[in-house]
Amino acid sequence: GQQLNQSPQSMFIQEGEDVSMNCTSSSIFNTWLWYKQEPGEGPVLLIALYKAGELTSNGRLTAQFGITRKDSFLNISASIPSDVGIYFCAGPGGTSYGKLTFGQGTILTVHP
Amino acid sequence: KAGVTQTPRYLIKTRGQQVTLSCSPISGHRSVSWYQQTPGQGLQFLFEYFSETQRNKGNFPGRFSGRQFSNSRSEMNVSTLELGDSALYLCASSLGTGGQETQYFGPGTRLLVL
Repeated sequence: GQQLNQSPQSMFIQEGEDVSMNCTSSSIFNTWLWYKQEPGEGPVLLIALYKAGELTSNGRLTAQFGITRKDSFLNISASIPSDVGIYFCAGPGGTSYGKLTFGQGTILTVHP
Repeated sequence: KAGVTQTPRYLIKTRGQQVTLSCSPISGHRSVSWYQQTPGQGLQFLFEYFSETQRNKGNFPGRFSGRQFSNSRSEMNVSTLELGDSALYLCASSLGTGGQETQYFGPGTRLLVL
């Protein structure tokens, strides 16, 4: 089945630093989604990408849909303490209705 | 527009019992997907409902079931609970059509089986 490999698994950074994480897939995705999850809560959608090569920003967050359609990355600029959480990439499973395949997640810790 | 809501938020059950979780999707969304999240396995897809029909199912035993009502609200049921069913259960809603299955998640129901 489809798999998403997300890296790094965890990051410990200082406030103000930029962050970059990425996801690669063994198969082509038509949509890439990036979510953030905080303890005890559900994932919150950050950015949705629908076209190969697409670059989309949401405030300090920027994500890109890779040209090969097998990868995506998320950048966070000038990190702040409230950026702490787990970031997941996800994509729909081909023609499989309603099923998202998720990366393993990147745990982000920001030191003030 | 109100987001996805899930009830209850927390639940404690004992082995062998059954449990029903509820999910109300975003208004206008007709697709509801359910996921189980555990530290060891991450987010795993349970099933998806659209217009009261199950369209897709993950690799979970038959103890896990669900349904969807005409107003798109969905419930999932777990019978004969096992310790390993302790997890965060998440539902997500989407339009369910158009090929862009952007899903919006609820806050989850934390289930603890003792």
